[in-house]
Amino acid sequence: AQTVTQSQPEMSVQEAETVTLSCTYDTSESNYYLFWYKQPPSRQMILVIRQEAYKQQNATENRFSVNFQKAAKSFSLKISDSQLGDTAMYFCAFMKPLPAQKLVFGQGTRLTINP
Amino acid sequence: EPEVTQTPSHQVTQMGQEVILRCVPISNHLYFYWYRQILGQKVEFLVSFYNNEISEKSEIFDDQFSVERPDGSNFTLKIRSTKLEDSAMYFCASSVGIAFFGQGTRLTVV
Repeated sequence: AQTVTQSQPEMSVQEAETVTLSCTYDTSESNYYLFWYKQPPSRQMILVIRQEAYKQQNATENRFSVNFQKAAKSFSLKISDSQLGDTAMYFCAFMKPLPAQKLVFGQGTRLTINP
Repeated sequence: EPEVTQTPSHQVTQMGQEVILRCVPISNHLYFYWYRQILGQKVEFLVSFYNNEISEKSEIFDDQFSVERPDGSNFTLKIRSTKLEDSAMYFCASSVGIAFFGQGTRLTVV
């Protein structure tokens, strides 16, 4: 069974700083997907970024980028120029390819951006 | 932009009562899921649904739970006899490779 581990329960940085959230996972699969989801206080789950394991290039979405190290089974999220609106829980998640594969989530990291 | 919608946003029910949580997935999606998040804990998979049948279910999804897609648009989760420990946020998701989540239903069992 796949497992996802986020070793930082809480992090706090100043606005405009860069912050990196860590995630490691365990799987015997060679092809899979990795995700970061953001959960603000409203508790809605919002997709931040996705990475396909067969792609060597790290995914980037505006201020959000990942460092995907397949051999190390590591998938960290970097947030550049952090903003107050980035304050949220961040969940790392793993998914085997379709059909109908479930997401396996880590425990989450609570990120606070201070003014 | 298409989105997954869930109703109600909050439901309070008495222990032992039946509840039905409703979801309207994104229209061209084929895979549907229910997840649960107990307050302060991680998001847990309950069940996946494809081609009008359950594809996979977790150990949480016991005989008290059922899912249905009654009319080709709605996707429902029924809890037959609620327990206090069923109090949680329930998320519906639909997918064609990327899972999009609804805003959740906060279920409180008293």
